[in-house]
Amino acid sequence: SAVISQKPSRDICQRGTSLTIQCQVDSQVTMMFWYRQQPGQSLTLIATANQGSEATYESGFVIDKFPISRPNLTFSTLTVSNMSPEDSSIYLCSVEGGVDYEQYFGPGTRLTVT
Amino acid sequence: GQQLNQSPQSMFIQEGEDVSMNCTSSSIFNTWLWYKQDPGEGPVLLIALYKAGELTSNGRLTAQFGITRKDSFLNISASIPSDVGIYFCAGRPGGTSYGKLTFGQGTILTVHP
Repeated sequence: SAVISQKPSRDICQRGTSLTIQCQVDSQVTMMFWYRQQPGQSLTLIATANQGSEATYESGFVIDKFPISRPNLTFSTLTVSNMSPEDSSIYLCSVEGGVDYEQYFGPGTRLTVT
Repeated sequence: GQQLNQSPQSMFIQEGEDVSMNCTSSSIFNTWLWYKQDPGEGPVLLIALYKAGELTSNGRLTAQFGITRKDSFLNISASIPSDVGIYFCAGRPGGTSYGKLTFGQGTILTVHP
C-alpha cells in the first residue's frame, strides 16, 4: 500500500481566511481523491484529481470554494477558501493503489474554523 | 446519489465476543471495501471484496460480498480492546464511476475489557 502524508495535521483558522492542505504520496499514482469528514459523520467525496487535467467535483462542491492542484503524480493540494465555521471538518486525501485499485487514505487534516 | 445503509450504528460488547455489521445498497456495486478508523487517524483498509459471493478473511476479520451485489457484511471474532474504533463499509460501482467510493455511515464499536 502507498504511504501518504498530509500537512498540516491540524489547524485553527479564522473565518474568511483560506487554508491549503498538502498531500504527498511515496509512489506515483494516477488518481487522487479529496474527502471531507464532518464531525461525527462519514466520508464525503469532494473531488477527484488526475494529473494533467482539471479536478472533477462532486455535487455540492465547487472549484471556487475548494480549488485543487495536481502538479505531478505524487502530490496534490486542496485549498479551503473563505472559510466559515461550517467548514470545520477532517479533510482526507486518498489514492488508488495495489493490484485491484484499492483506495488508501492519508492521516487527515483536522480543521477548526472560529 | 447512491446511499449505503450501514448497521448497527453502534455496538457495546464484552471482550471475547463476536461482532457482526453489515451494509446494504439500493444499487449494485462491483467492489466492497471495509475500513477501520481510529480517533485522529485516517481510515485503514481492512478487507477488499471484488466478486459476488466472495468470502475473505484477514486474521479475526471475515467479510462477504453479497450474492446480489447490493450488500456486504463484516464479522470480527473474539474481540479485543484494540478493536475499538469506527468501521466503515464503502462501495465502488465501477464503469464510468470507477474510482469513486460511497461510504456507509459507520459503526462505532466499543469493547469492554
